[in-house]
Amino acid sequence: QITLKESGPTLVKPTQTLTLTCTFSGFSLSTSGVGVGWIRQPPGKALEWLALIYWDDDKRYRPSLKSRLTITKDASKNQVVLTMTNMDPVDTATYYCARRGSTSLFEYWGQGTLVTVSS
Amino acid sequence: QTVVTQEPSLTVSPGGTVTLTCASGTGPVTSGHYPNWFQQNPGQAPRALIYSTTNKHSWTPARFSGSLLGGKAALTLSGVQPEDEAEYYCLLYYGDGWVFGGGTKLTVL
Repeated sequence: QITLKESGPTLVKPTQTLTLTCTFSGFSLSTSGVGVGWIRQPPGKALEWLALIYWDDDKRYRPSLKSRLTITKDASKNQVVLTMTNMDPVDTATYYCARRGSTSLFEYWGQGTLVTVSS
Repeated sequence: QTVVTQEPSLTVSPGGTVTLTCASGTGPVTSGHYPNWFQQNPGQAPRALIYSTTNKHSWTPARFSGSLLGGKAALTLSGVQPEDEAEYYCLLYYGDGWVFGGGTKLTVL
């Protein structure tokens, strides 16, 4: 059974750095073709893809946020970490992590975690 | 950032057929965009339905199908059920990353 779960702060202040952890089970991030991505959804708005890391440590970022995002993995701990610098109230959203399989994209999702940016 | 456009809302009667579309701001959608479709119910995480244009996941009901139609990616629901009322998102690949559409709110009425 494949599961993913996001964890991190629920409230951050403007200008702070957000660190989110995706802890997963049921698959290995050492398997060829597999990846884990991050997607966010502001309240009442559409989904936005943020970043994805592959089994071979290749990384992709949303171009408009590339300077603020860093994605890393620890395959031995079954974790993927996303950091976002210089948080702003417009970054308030539910943040999801999701698995990229060897043939399909974002087939399994975590439950999401709501992050509010406010002073 | 490339814009991916979906119908904001559609309404369909139970048992009917409806097609949702997904257009790319850069030109026709092709198989090279690897279109994906997701369903999201209120307060829940998205659920994957279709990948790489036409492929279904093991849990995808048979009434859902994906295709390319008139330069767009399309998701067709045949024999719509009340539980299909939800928000639907497409996702397209652009070489350096992925872009979600704005979503279609499907009402079954």
